[in-house]
Amino acid sequence: KAGVTQTPRYLIKTRGQQVTLSCSPISGHRSVSWYQQTPGQGLQFLFEYFSETQRNKGNFPGRFSGRQFSNSRSEMNVSTLELGDSALYLCASSAGLDTDTQYFGPGTRLTVL
Amino acid sequence: AQSVTQPDIHITVSEGASLELRCNYSYGATPYLFWYVQSPGQGLQLLLKYFSGDTLVQGIKGFEAEFKRSQSSFNLRKPSVHWSDAAEYFCAVGGGATNKLIFGTGTLLAVQP
Repeated sequence: KAGVTQTPRYLIKTRGQQVTLSCSPISGHRSVSWYQQTPGQGLQFLFEYFSETQRNKGNFPGRFSGRQFSNSRSEMNVSTLELGDSALYLCASSAGLDTDTQYFGPGTRLTVL
Repeated sequence: AQSVTQPDIHITVSEGASLELRCNYSYGATPYLFWYVQSPGQGLQLLLKYFSGDTLVQGIKGFEAEFKRSQSSFNLRKPSVHWSDAAEYFCAVGGGATNKLIFGTGTLLAVQP
């Protein structure tokens, strides 16, 4: 079974631009979560989706948004990019709810110049 | 507040030596506990998890962890470290009706020949 895939793997943007990252979960998984990883803040939860509904959201500004499609694929969007948004964005999928085991993708490395 | 503490930022061990990585958590509900490993530029790979039952859990690559509720700890151990174990290790806690994980700051493991 294929793992979690994330595209693109690398992105370079400039301040003020917006960006969309994509995540395809493991086949049959319906839950997708997103995390931001930076050297200073570590791994921080962004949001969680299940069956196209956002179930949980981390403590990030409204510039960070996401959605999930009917095929469980998910996208996250960051508008008006800031230098501090440079990070590795990780997507994780799980089969169900309630702290099911999560499997992570390789991440998208975003660099904001 | 919910949190995970990994007191050791960086550990160096000799190849063939034993390893113990410490993890302490603070969580109001019944915790579900995880250890993940991350190689440079990669996503997170699940090593093992504890949901309930036997407090000593076995994982992949010869790792094991012991859940001690009285000490709020979930330390990771390996009897004999291999050079390929050099990576960053993250402890995480979750629980309840969500897949959200709270991660520790990670322990970077270096292996000396």
